[in-house]
Amino acid sequence: NAGVTQTPKFRVLKTGQSMTLLCAQDMNHEYMYWYRQDPGMGLRLIHYSVGEGTTAKGEVPDGYNVSRLKKQNFLLGLESAAPSQTSVYFCASRAGLAGVRSHEQFFGPGTRLTVL
Amino acid sequence: AQKVTQAQTEISVVEKEDVTLDCVYETRDTTYYLFWYKQPPSGELVFLIRRNSFDEQNEISGRYSWNFQKSTSSFNFTITASQVVDSAVYFCALILISGNTGKLIFGQGTTLQVKP
Repeated sequence: NAGVTQTPKFRVLKTGQSMTLLCAQDMNHEYMYWYRQDPGMGLRLIHYSVGEGTTAKGEVPDGYNVSRLKKQNFLLGLESAAPSQTSVYFCASRAGLAGVRSHEQFFGPGTRLTVL
Repeated sequence: AQKVTQAQTEISVVEKEDVTLDCVYETRDTTYYLFWYKQPPSGELVFLIRRNSFDEQNEISGRYSWNFQKSTSSFNFTITASQVVDSAVYFCALILISGNTGKLIFGQGTTLQVKP
């Protein structure tokens, strides 16, 4: 049981390049989230998904796209990377409404992305 | 709008001192959860505690204790007899139950440095 995993762990891009970050969870969770962490700003929600095939915008969605084709995977895409997207990206998942841990989010280890 | 404020950006203490990390939140919803997460230098996010809005009991777990006061919209975290291993960034976060999106709203984080 790996929990939430993220690929890759580190990446350096040049401005204008594209890439996809992969988040995978093996807990059969319905909900998945992508956050970015910047110094002094905590974590901010980029996009989220409340189930397979659904996605929605969070607080800072511009410049990112997401897809949830399979329940266990949530992909975050940068079509044309910009230096402002240099950040640490965290993926999280959570189960549904019921249960003791129903509102707890389980986080992946993070991806450190630098855009030059 | 919902908001979480951690006014203390950085705190430095000497080992064995007690330290309190402040968290103030804003929401008009009556049903919500509050969380504390720890982010050690290794970067992962470690879940510490969840408290729902109907439970104002204070909680103690070893050297950690939490004081939840709805009257002042605060959810403060105290570490007793701090240790060097407590050095980390600590985040307070809020989830609203309404809408069932489960989006976490994070504070800016407090960096705690415990010196030997």
